[in-house]
Amino acid sequence: AQRVTQPEKLLSVFKGAPVELKCNYSYSGSPELFWYVQYSRQRLQLLLRHISRESIKGFTADLNKGETSFHLKKPFAQEEDSAMYYCALRGLTDSWGKLQFGAGTQVVVTP
Amino acid sequence: GAGVSQSPSNKVTEKGKDVELRCDPISGHTALYWYRQRLGQGLEFLIYFQGNSAPDKSGLPSDRFSAERTGESVSTLTIQRTQQEDSAVYLCATSGVPGELFFGEGSRLTVL
Repeated sequence: AQRVTQPEKLLSVFKGAPVELKCNYSYSGSPELFWYVQYSRQRLQLLLRHISRESIKGFTADLNKGETSFHLKKPFAQEEDSAMYYCALRGLTDSWGKLQFGAGTQVVVTP
Repeated sequence: GAGVSQSPSNKVTEKGKDVELRCDPISGHTALYWYRQRLGQGLEFLIYFQGNSAPDKSGLPSDRFSAERTGESVSTLTIQRTQQEDSAVYLCATSGVPGELFFGEGSRLTVL
């Protein structure tokens, strides 16, 4: 079974402060991890995936297999980062596989 | 348009009625997913289709729920004998690359 846990329902930070969204997972095989984001009145969309190892909108996330975590970080939060963030997992051993989402973390960046 | 299209965007129905939700995928996307999102909760996987493979129905909550997709075209999610706990936003997503999902705007279902 695959499980994704996002322990924080709400994260409130000041503009310019660092922000870290926690994501822990459980999966018996090799996972692929993603972060999806939903801005106000917009569709849910892909933010980044661990395989790409790239920074998107200043966000980075590193897969830590030892701690089974994939935390999302940004050194200086901006007001436009206010959104709902979802961590998601699929099994790499699956030819395609379902994408399992966490419960989401609402980020509010205040000026 | 080029995105995933869902209809209806809003549906209010009476308990016990059947409802059908429709999803038009992005052309060429072989995978199609249905998720449910109850108020204040995360995305709950329902079912996914990939090409001509048998669909993964492991997330369907009861036999009142069913979904169909013909080839790589439109999909319909049907809920029979709706219950109040079925009230939620039903999201469809399609994908041309594993893990990279493109979501529709959702169908908001309210069961009175």
